Amino acid sequence: AQTVTQSQPEMSVQEAETVTLSCTYDTSENNYYLFWYKQPPSRQMILVIRQEAYKQQNATENRFSVNFQKAAKSFSLKISDSQLGDTAMYFCALLNAGGTSYGKLTFGQGTILTVHP
Amino acid sequence: DAGVIQSPRHEVTEMGQEVTLRCKPISGHDYLFWYRQTMMRGLELLIYFNNNVPIDDSGMPEDRFSAKMPNASFSTLKIQPSEPRDSAVYFCASSPTRGQGVYEQYFGPGTRLTVT
Repeated sequence: AQTVTQSQPEMSVQEAETVTLSCTYDTSENNYYLFWYKQPPSRQMILVIRQEAYKQQNATENRFSVNFQKAAKSFSLKISDSQLGDTAMYFCALLNAGGTSYGKLTFGQGTILTVHP
Repeated sequence: DAGVIQSPRHEVTEMGQEVTLRCKPISGHDYLFWYRQTMMRGLELLIYFNNNVPIDDSGMPEDRFSAKMPNASFSTLKIQPSEPRDSAVYFCASSPTRGQGVYEQYFGPGTRLTVT
């Protein structure tokens, strides 16, 4: 079975500053993907960024980047130049691309991020 | 594409009534997922389908819950009879297995269910 753990229930940051959200995971599979999803107050789940486990290079999407440490099973999200619209719940998620749980996402508990003006 | 479509967006019903939630996945996506989100339990996968066939329903809480996918463009999640503890936001998501966005799950807006 796979698990995803987000140890920070809440975080806050000032507008324009940088914040890092933590995530650790556990899986016995070698072929997997990691994701960060954002859920603003509208409750819509929005994909922020993805990382393939076989890629060593950390994924980047504009102001969002990840620090993927495969050996440590760590997958943190860095948000640069934080904006008020980044205020949301952020979920880390793991997907196994092989084995019996193919296609199944496992979510962490979520981190509530508040960006202050 | 319009994205994943769910209906209704809000549902209020009385305990004991039947509730049916509906989902239209993104055209061409092979996988469809039903999730439930509550404050206490977070996001839980209830069931998922591949090419209209249920693959894993181990997350369905009990026999009161059932899900169907009669064709590639439609799925339902039914609760009969409903209970107050079923109150939650129910999400449908779909995912392709090839091409753009492979393995990414695209979520619908959710249905907020309240059972009184």
